[in-house]
Amino acid sequence: NAGVTQTPKFQVLKTGQSMTLQCAQDMNHNSMYWYRQDPGMGLRLIYYSASEGTTDKGEVPNGYNVSRLNKREFSLRLESAAPSQTSVYFCASSPSTGYGGYTFGSGTRLTVV
Amino acid sequence: LAKTTQPISMDSYEGQEVNITCSHNNIATNDYITWYQQFPSQGPRFIIQGYKTKVTNEVASLFIPADRKSSTLSLPRVSLSDTAVYYCLVGFNSGNTPLVFGKGTRLSVIA
Repeated sequence: NAGVTQTPKFQVLKTGQSMTLQCAQDMNHNSMYWYRQDPGMGLRLIYYSASEGTTDKGEVPNGYNVSRLNKREFSLRLESAAPSQTSVYFCASSPSTGYGGYTFGSGTRLTVV
Repeated sequence: LAKTTQPISMDSYEGQEVNITCSHNNIATNDYITWYQQFPSQGPRFIIQGYKTKVTNEVASLFIPADRKSSTLSLPRVSLSDTAVYYCLVGFNSGNTPLVFGKGTRLSVIA
């Protein structure tokens, strides 16, 4: 049972570089989410996709773009990385409605220097 | 989304029962109450979810009074491995209304 798989697990970028964080789930969930977590803080929602073909902004979308490639995959792109984007990024998925919680990936630790 | 309030931190000795209370005064009729656990360097893990009264699973119990304005996560006989951050979330599990995580309660279990 893979659940939610995120790649890469670690990444160091230089300011201004771009990169894409990948996320895939194998639970046939309709909804997927990207959160970031800074040290000592809770998780903040960046973008989410309620269902395949839709995406919406969360609390902190600036500097990011997303693509819901298909039902399984939801990627997060940093077009021009900034030191303020140094964080741990978590992808999650959930059934679209009803009883059931979110399943999270193990995270991507990103450092922008 | 309903705002939640929970203690920032708690300490407990091994073997004790730990109760973490969460306040959610403006909970809506359709909202569920969900608790997550997060270990360092890991993503949050779903622990338990309920709508009213009491829910119990192999990990924890969740007590919800009739007015649903608060809830209590109960961890029986904690061990050092229960040291983690615990998040209380309130909302309807709809993809269109994502859950908002607060800072959670940092539980430290002491030997």
